Formats: sequence, structure tokens, C-alpha cells
Amino acid sequence: AQKITQTQPGMFVQEKEAVTLDCTYDTSDPSYGLFWYKQPSSGEMIFLIYQGSYDQQNATEGRYSLNFQKARKSANLVISASQLGDSAMYFCAMRGSPGTASKLTFGTGTRLQVTL
Amino acid sequence: DGGITQSPKYLFRKEGQNVTLSCEQNLNHDAMYWYRQDPGQGLRLIYYSQIVNDFQKGDIAEGYSVSREKKESFPLTVTSAQKNPTAFYLCASSPDGDEAFFGQGTRLTVV
Repeated sequence: AQKITQTQPGMFVQEKEAVTLDCTYDTSDPSYGLFWYKQPSSGEMIFLIYQGSYDQQNATEGRYSLNFQKARKSANLVISASQLGDSAMYFCAMRGSPGTASKLTFGTGTRLQVTL
Repeated sequence: DGGITQSPKYLFRKEGQNVTLSCEQNLNHDAMYWYRQDPGQGLRLIYYSQIVNDFQKGDIAEGYSVSREKKESFPLTVTSAQKNPTAFYLCASSPDGDEAFFGQGTRLTVV
């Protein structure tokens, strides 16, 4: 069984500062993929970044980076130089073995508010 | 344009009625998913399908049914057996289990 835990219901960050959103996971799959999605108030889910369990380096996509610590089973999202438009819900998600169409499990989310 | 289309955007259901939410994709993805999202909460998996004519129950399948007769389409029926159907419903598709692409969602309200 897969489980994703996001322990921060809400976070505040000042514009232009960096922020880390926490995500821990549990799985019995030997290989897996981890994702972060952003959900603005409009409701759409926007893919941000992906980390495969066997990837040697932490994933980065523009201002987003994923701090992957496999031994600790954590996959924290780091947003650098926060912008007002980053205010949204952020979800961590996991699925089983890469390359297979398996179920995708989500955490409960963190609401990020960027302030001036 | 390639993408996932959910319709309708808003849906109202009377007590005891079945309603069907549409999800169509032209991305040629094999896998499709249905999620339910309640206010302030994460996404919970209702059903998913890895291939045409095959689907599996997710974590909260009771009161819902699906079909996958075509690769492009994965409709979700909310039956009268679902006692608390008011929620935001999201459909997604995925190529070979990689990142999922989501539709705009359907907000269902029981009146």
C-alpha cells in the first residue's frame, strides 16, 4: 500500500523568499515515482515536478526543486523566489513502478500563501 | 488542442438520482483516473483504468461506477447509493504511468 503524508496544512512565505513544503511517503514498491502538483483556486491540477526513486540527482524545474531523501522517505518541494502567483494548494503524490499504469495516491495538501 | 475535457463544469443532482460525469481525452493515454476532492482535503481515488475494457476500484469506489469502452472516454456514474456525493470530481489520464494530466473538474452538488 502507498501512503503520502503532508503535515503542514498551511504555510506563509514572503514574496521573493524560499519555502519548503514537506512530504513523506511509505510504499513497499521497489521503484516508484513522486510528483508535486499545484492547485490554484480555479481547481485545475498543474504538474510541477517529478522524481523517480532511482534518479541519482534531485529533480529541478525552474524555481521548483525536489529535495529527495530516500532513506528518510521524504520528497520535499522547495520553491525559490516565491511569487504572489504561487499562492495555491500543493499536493504531493506517488505511484508505483515507473512505466506501469498504476494508481496515483495523493497527500492531503498544503495551502501556501505568499505575502508582500 | 490536446487535453482532457470534463463536462459539465457544474452539476446538480436531486436525491436518489444517478448522474454521469463525462471525461474525454485526446492524448492517446492508456491510463485514466477518477478522483474525488472534498473541501480542504486531498484527492481520493475512486476508480482507475489501465486499458480499454478494464478498470479497478480505488479507495472509495462504493456508490460509483465506470466504463471504459473507448480509449478516449472514461465516464463516471454517481449512483443513488452514494450517500454524500457533493464534491469536486477530477479526471486524469497518464501515459504509461508517468505524470497525470488533469481535466478542469466537475463540481457536483446535491439539491
